[in-house]
Order: sequence, then C-alpha cells, then structure tokens
Amino acid sequence: EAAVTQSPRNKVAVTGGKVTLSCNQTNNHNNMYWYRQDTGHGLRLIHYSYGAGSTEKGDIPDGYKASRPSQENFSLILELATPSQTSVYFCASGDATGGTGQLYFGEGSKLTVL
Amino acid sequence: QQQVRQSPQSLTVWEGETAILNCSYENSAFDYFPWYQQFPGEGPALLIAIRSVSDKKEDGGFTIFFNKREKNLSLHIKDSQPGDSATYFCAAGGGSALGRLHFGAGTQLIVIP
Repeated sequence: EAAVTQSPRNKVAVTGGKVTLSCNQTNNHNNMYWYRQDTGHGLRLIHYSYGAGSTEKGDIPDGYKASRPSQENFSLILELATPSQTSVYFCASGDATGGTGQLYFGEGSKLTVL
Repeated sequence: QQQVRQSPQSLTVWEGETAILNCSYENSAFDYFPWYQQFPGEGPALLIAIRSVSDKKEDGGFTIFFNKREKNLSLHIKDSQPGDSATYFCAAGGGSALGRLHFGAGTQLIVIP
C-alpha cells in the first residue's frame, strides 16, 4: 500500500511567521506534488518535483517555496505566512511522467494563519 | 483559465439511484482522465480513470463515458449507496500537461438512505 505522510496535520501560525509543511513518501516515486484545497477551487498545484534536488513551479507558486532534499522528502515553505494562505494542503507522490498515472495523496495539513 | 470544469457543484440522490457527475476540459491535447474520490478528513484517492482512446470505462458500479469530440466526460454511479457520499474530482493530464494533472473544483455527492 502506497504511503504518504504529512506533518504537521494541523498548524496555527501568525501573519508574517515562517511555516514549513513536511511530506514523506515510502513509495520510491520520482514525482512529488504540493496542492492546496479550497472550497470552490478544488485542488490547485503549488509546486512539484521530478526527483531529489529538483523543484518546479505549479499554477499558484507565489508566496511558497519548495525543497526536495531526498527521494522521500518534499517540503513546502511559507517564508512570510499571510491569512490568504489559510487552507488545507495535500502532498502527493506518483511515478508516471506526463501527468498520467495514479497519484497517492497524504491525509492533508490544515493551516490557519491568524 | 480553468482547464477542467465540473458540474453540478453539489448533487443529492436517493439510495439506489444513478448519480451522474459531469466534467469538461479545455485542452484537446489531454489524453488521461482520472476521477478521484475524497471522504471528509482524508486525501483524495483514485477511483477510476480513462484514456482518450476509449469512450467507456467500467469498474464495479462506476462508469466513465467519454466524448473526445465534445471534450467532456461523465461519471455514472449506479445503484448509489450512502457510503458513496463523498466529493468527486475530475482531472485531466497527459499530452501537453507537462507532467501534472489539472483538477476540477469537485462535485459533492450526498446519497440519502
């Protein structure tokens, strides 16, 4: 069974603070993704990675950075958190190229920025 | 511009009825169309997927009907059960999608016993 784990599962941050969301996968997948989910918008891609050391901008990268230090780990970094970044964030992994193939999602990280 | 659109936003059906969820897409180069199912408090999980070379895909009580010419597809959930109550996301990828899926906004399905 594919396994993607996220931490923390819940986080409350203050405006202007730094937030790091972490993701670990044990699937040995090359590709990893960070999405945010908001009512009315579905899942929107923030950053993704094709492997250790690589990061790519998704559709809504502004205000976010990403880091892929190893095959297993992919982090999303909010250097200066804002209330508009309050959302549920999902990490996913997958092995297919070209936007095909199954994605395996974590259980989500709920972020509230006050 | 939203690449994938879903309708309705919310759908309520009685137990035993067939629920029909609709999806349309913009880019004719997309050739892979998965549907993901999400229960409250969980991450989405792949339910069923179709490639553009096919016009129909069945898996248990779930069927995708695909119309390449019209650039739309639908998910039919036959004999809906309360356990099917969830949010369903249509997505599109492949072709010129540059290695990622584009998701729709989702349809929330409620099945009343």
